[in-house]
Amino acid sequence: EAGVVQSPRYKIIEKKQPVAFWCNPISGHNTLYWYLQNLGQGPELLIRYENEEAVDDSQLPKDRFSAERLKGVDSTLKIQPAELGDSAVYLCASSFTGETQYFGPGTRLLVL
Amino acid sequence: ILNVEQSPQSLHVQEGDSTNFTCSFPSSNFYALHWYRWETAKSPEALFVMTLNGDEKKKGRISATLNTKEGYSYLYIKGSQPEDSATYLCALHGGTSGSRLTFGEGTQLTVNP
Repeated sequence: EAGVVQSPRYKIIEKKQPVAFWCNPISGHNTLYWYLQNLGQGPELLIRYENEEAVDDSQLPKDRFSAERLKGVDSTLKIQPAELGDSAVYLCASSFTGETQYFGPGTRLLVL
Repeated sequence: ILNVEQSPQSLHVQEGDSTNFTCSFPSSNFYALHWYRWETAKSPEALFVMTLNGDEKKKGRISATLNTKEGYSYLYIKGSQPEDSATYLCALHGGTSGSRLTFGEGTQLTVNP
């Protein structure tokens, strides 16, 4: 069974540029999560989807971050414009019925 | 906001040593505790999901225990190998099913050959 797929794996951009990350969850998983992991810290939830509905986005900085999960499968997370402090690892995870979450390898973002 | 703490922050051991780490969490509002292993450049891998007080789980040389009344979980690695080198994360699943995971900062384990 294929795991959670994320792309790109690495991204380097200049500040004020836009950036987008893509996630393909495990087939059949209805719940999808985006996490932010800063160096030396644990992952923090940005947004959680149940199918195509965002049910927990309280930690998403909505002034510059946006996410979508059209058709309840793949998801994209966008930052516009990026700031230096956005340099981090962006993890996507999926689960069935909200139990064990399976993670992708993450996208490592560096904003210069 | 739930506070999940892990100790130590980092650990260096020799191959063959046994080791253990701690995850502390608020004992109220508990639903489940998850342990993950995260190797560099790979996906975090789910090790255990623990729900009942007194739970003990084992996977090869790795085992974990859970005490929900006092709010802690221990992860043990017996006979550490270099391939065990990774960051070990615990995450609290509080409240009810579907609620968010709150992660600790992780314990970074390095096993020297």
